[in-house]
Amino acid sequence: AQKVTQAQTEISVVEKEDVTLDCVYETRDTTYYLFWYKQPPSGELVFLIRRNSFDEQNEISGRYSWNFQKSTSSFNFTITASQVVDSAVYFCALSPGDDKIIFGKGTRLHILP
Amino acid sequence: ETGVTQSPTHLIKTRGQQVTLRCSSQSGHNTVSWYQQALGQGPQFIFQYYREEENGRGNFPPRFSGLQFPNYSSELNVNALELDDSALYLCASSFFGGKTEAFFGQGTRLTVV
Repeated sequence: AQKVTQAQTEISVVEKEDVTLDCVYETRDTTYYLFWYKQPPSGELVFLIRRNSFDEQNEISGRYSWNFQKSTSSFNFTITASQVVDSAVYFCALSPGDDKIIFGKGTRLHILP
Repeated sequence: ETGVTQSPTHLIKTRGQQVTLRCSSQSGHNTVSWYQQALGQGPQFIFQYYREEENGRGNFPPRFSGLQFPNYSSELNVNALELDDSALYLCASSFFGGKTEAFFGQGTRLTVV
């Protein structure tokens, strides 16, 4: 079975703090893709990153960084020096390829000024 | 902002009615996928269309159907609406077999009363 678990339903941090969003996935496929999407109140899903199963290098993009650990089936997302504009729902997702994307239930992040 | 547009933005229908939602894919993309996102949940895959044919379907009944047109735009049709069909419906466009990520539209919020 393929599944994505985001154990943190809701997180609140004060602006400028670092915050990590956890993601654990399950799949029997050897080739798959992992994603993170941001969903602001407007509803549109904003693509943040895609990582394939063969690339375990961590990635940093500005204040965002991602830690992919195949051994623990985790793909965690860290925001450094958080800002109020980072407030949103964040989804971790899994895809076996060109077919469906399987989403977690999301983590609602509140950045308090 | 992605090039994926959905219409209408909001819609209210009565139980038992039929509804059609529309999606224009991003330029250069040939695949459209539809997702249903209930309140407080992650998006759930409905189906995907490629080359004007259904290419993969999630756990949704046959009253959910779709079309893809030669210009790669797509429609989602739902017959015999039920109260539980109330949700945000998201369309995603991508390039089948390519290395690009899926881009989502802003969604159509359907309320069934």
